Amino acid sequence: AQKITQTQPGMFVQEKEAVTLDCTYDTSDPSYGLFWYKQPSSGEMIFLIYQGSYDQQNATEGRYSLNFQKARKSANLVISASQLGDSAMYFCAMRTGSSNTGKLIFGQGTTLQVKP
Amino acid sequence: SQTIHQWPATLVQPVGSPLSLECTVEGTSNPNLYWYRQAAGRGLQLLFYSVGIGQISSEVPQNLSASRPQDRQFILSSKKLLLSDSGFYLCAWGPGQGPGETQYFGPGTRLLVL
Repeated sequence: AQKITQTQPGMFVQEKEAVTLDCTYDTSDPSYGLFWYKQPSSGEMIFLIYQGSYDQQNATEGRYSLNFQKARKSANLVISASQLGDSAMYFCAMRTGSSNTGKLIFGQGTTLQVKP
Repeated sequence: SQTIHQWPATLVQPVGSPLSLECTVEGTSNPNLYWYRQAAGRGLQLLFYSVGIGQISSEVPQNLSASRPQDRQFILSSKKLLLSDSGFYLCAWGPGQGPGETQYFGPGTRLLVL
């Protein structure tokens, strides 16, 4: 079965510090993509970063990086130098090559609160 | 650049009333379109997807239906709302169906059925 697991319902981080949000996935499909989205209180899902299953290097986008450990089936999001505006819910999602819908499978999310 | 719009932003409807939520995309052509629902504090569940005009596929059986009358317009409907239809509805678009194709979401519609 294809599944995304986020085990941290809530996280706190001090402003300017780094934080890691955990994500593990399960799929038997060798071709897949992993995504992280940010959902602030307004509700909009904002795309942050993408990692392909065949990518050799970890993805980075500004202060966001993805710690991709294929053997462990984990795709943790690292946010460096946290800012107050990073307070939001974060979702890990997966899309597989065998899907004929192109749907994203989401985890349950992690709420991040950045403390001043 | 591409933008995606949804309206209304918020809706309160009585049980048994009809529903129509609209989603439009600008700045792209022949997008794949998706309707997701999010229960409070949970992840998203795919309801419908469309790869072209008039082509709708349902992911889960439910009280809702979808239509795509124009290339960049996606509508979510119901003839009679149920209490369980309450939630946050998000429309998304994507350029393709491959595993690396990113989906981009609209601002969402909060629906409360009373």
